[in-house]
Amino acid sequence: AQSVTQPDIHITVSEGASLELRCNYSYGATPYLFWYVQSPGQGLQLLLKYFSGDTLVQGIKGFEAEFKRSQSSFNLRKPSVHWSDAAEYFCAVAADSGGGADGLTFGKGTHLIIQP
Amino acid sequence: NAGVTQTPKFRVLKTGQSMTLLCAQDMNHEYMYWYRQDPGMGLRLIHYSVGEGTTAKGEVPDGYNVSRLKKQNFLLGLESAAPSQTSVYFCASSYTGNTIYFGEGSWLTVV
Repeated sequence: AQSVTQPDIHITVSEGASLELRCNYSYGATPYLFWYVQSPGQGLQLLLKYFSGDTLVQGIKGFEAEFKRSQSSFNLRKPSVHWSDAAEYFCAVAADSGGGADGLTFGKGTHLIIQP
Repeated sequence: NAGVTQTPKFRVLKTGQSMTLLCAQDMNHEYMYWYRQDPGMGLRLIHYSVGEGTTAKGEVPDGYNVSRLKKQNFLLGLESAAPSQTSVYFCASSYTGNTIYFGEGSWLTVV
């Protein structure tokens, strides 16, 4: 079975600074990887996904993520954060690109705080 | 586009009461899922369905039942609610090879 680890429970970043959120996965075959964002009291919004091909994927809101098979990682990055980026971020892995019979396995999330 | 719609959005139950959460999707998706979200735990899969008339257990199925009588609907039932079931519940749907879409969540408190 697959698993996801997000090592950082909380991260504080100054507005305008760069951001990197870490995600490590465990899965025997080629994984399908996702990053979701959740604002307080809201549902989950897909930021980006990796299915195959180019290991650097671009998402919405200026986010990007890089798949590194050798490190089993899929870290999320943004060059310059805005106060509106404050939210909870979830990394997820699936055995199938559409979720399939096992659905998504989520990490426990990283809470991003933006300092003025 | 409605996407994935959950009802109700908020509910307070007394211990031992029963209730049903309804999830409806208008994208003709085969797969549907129910997750629960608890602080510090991320989202955990309760039950899922790979098609009309089918259901299967996820990671945390105890205390819940589900039904998928129609392709567009996936119901999550709590027969006898317990305080440990206080959580935010998310429904999701997908079609193999495409993005998984989530509903906006249902906040359930059991007192």
